Formats: sequence, C-alpha cells, structure tokens
Amino acid sequence: NAGVTQTPKFRVLKTGQSMTLLCAQDMNHEYMYWYRQDPGMGLRLIHYSVGEGTTAKGEVPDGYNVSRLKKQNFLLGLESAAPSQTSVYFCASSPATGALYEQYFGPGTRLTVT
Amino acid sequence: GQNIDQPTEMTATEGAIVQINCTYQTSGFNGLFWYQQHAGEAPTFLSYNVLDGLEEKGRFSSFLSRSKGYSYLLLKELQMKDSASYLCAVRDRANAGKSTFGDGTTLTVKP
Repeated sequence: NAGVTQTPKFRVLKTGQSMTLLCAQDMNHEYMYWYRQDPGMGLRLIHYSVGEGTTAKGEVPDGYNVSRLKKQNFLLGLESAAPSQTSVYFCASSPATGALYEQYFGPGTRLTVT
Repeated sequence: GQNIDQPTEMTATEGAIVQINCTYQTSGFNGLFWYQQHAGEAPTFLSYNVLDGLEEKGRFSSFLSRSKGYSYLLLKELQMKDSASYLCAVRDRANAGKSTFGDGTTLTVKP
C-alpha cells in the first residue's frame, strides 16, 4: 500500500515550457486535490476532483489544467510555465464517506521555473 | 469563502506545554482539521473537530468553539521532534471534500 505517490519529485523548467505532474493513489479514494505551497505559506488549492471524470477550480486555478480519467490518477498540467509557478506542489486524496474526510498527502514535487 | 488566522511563529522549551490558536471566518463550517508538517515533508493529519469541545489524542489535544470561530491545538510534554509547522484547515459545508488551509504556525522547540 503506497498511499499517494507523485511523479516527478523535482523538476526545473524554462519559461514557456509545459509539463504534467502525475498523482496516483491506491486507497480507492473518491476525492483528489492539487495544492501549491510557497515559502512560509500554507497550502492553496489549485484544482480538485470529487470523482472520476469530474474536476473543479480551487482558489488559484489560473495557468493550470487537470484531468481525472481514472479514479486513481489525477494529473496537473502547466501549459506555459512562468516563474510565478515556482513552488512545491502537493497532491492529496480523501474518502467521500466517513466522518473524517482527512486528506492523505503525497511527498510533493519541487518545481523551479527559470 | 473562508478566512483563517494563525500566529506565524512560536517558540517553546522541551518538556513544556504550548497552545497554537486558530481563528476562522466562514460562510459554511463542516469541521476543522489540524495537520503537522515537518520541513521539506508533506502534511500529516493530527486531529479533527466538528462539535464544540476538546478532543484528546495522546500528547496532542484540539479544542473547538463554533460560536467563537476558534480552535486551538495543545501540545504537552514537548519533544524536539515536535518542531514543525502546524496547519489549521476548515472544511467547507457546501463541499464536504474541500478544505481551506491557514498559513501555518512554525513551532520551534528548544532544549
């Protein structure tokens, strides 16, 4: 049981380049999320999904797109990277039922855009 | 929307007790979480409150007052490994899966 995994762990991009971050979970969770965390700040929600084939915008969605084609995977895309997107990106998942809805986080992807 | 406030930094001594406060303003409340995040690592779940009162879990306790929009995390018998950032997060009533996070409180435990 790997929990939540993220690929890649580190990446350096040049301005204007594109990339896709992959998140996978093996806990059969309905909900999945993408956050970014900048130095000294909390987590800001980029996009989230409440089930396979559905996505919704969070607090800071501009410049990002997502897809949830399979229940276990949630992809985050940057079409044209900008230096302002330099950050640590965390994926998380949570169950849709039960009392807690606690979120389980992946190890993070450290992205630098030069 | 949600607005969450926490102190930015706190310092405490090993073996002591520390209380980290969180105040929130929300259009719909459906629970409050506390997460711990060590430097360079992912957040991990600590506690959850949805009703008023105190929830105790070992050395950690969390309190909630919904009428005051207030919560605190209490850490007892502090250990050096408790040095970390503590994130308060409020779950949205309209969307049970979605939570808004505060900026976190960085706790430094000194010998």
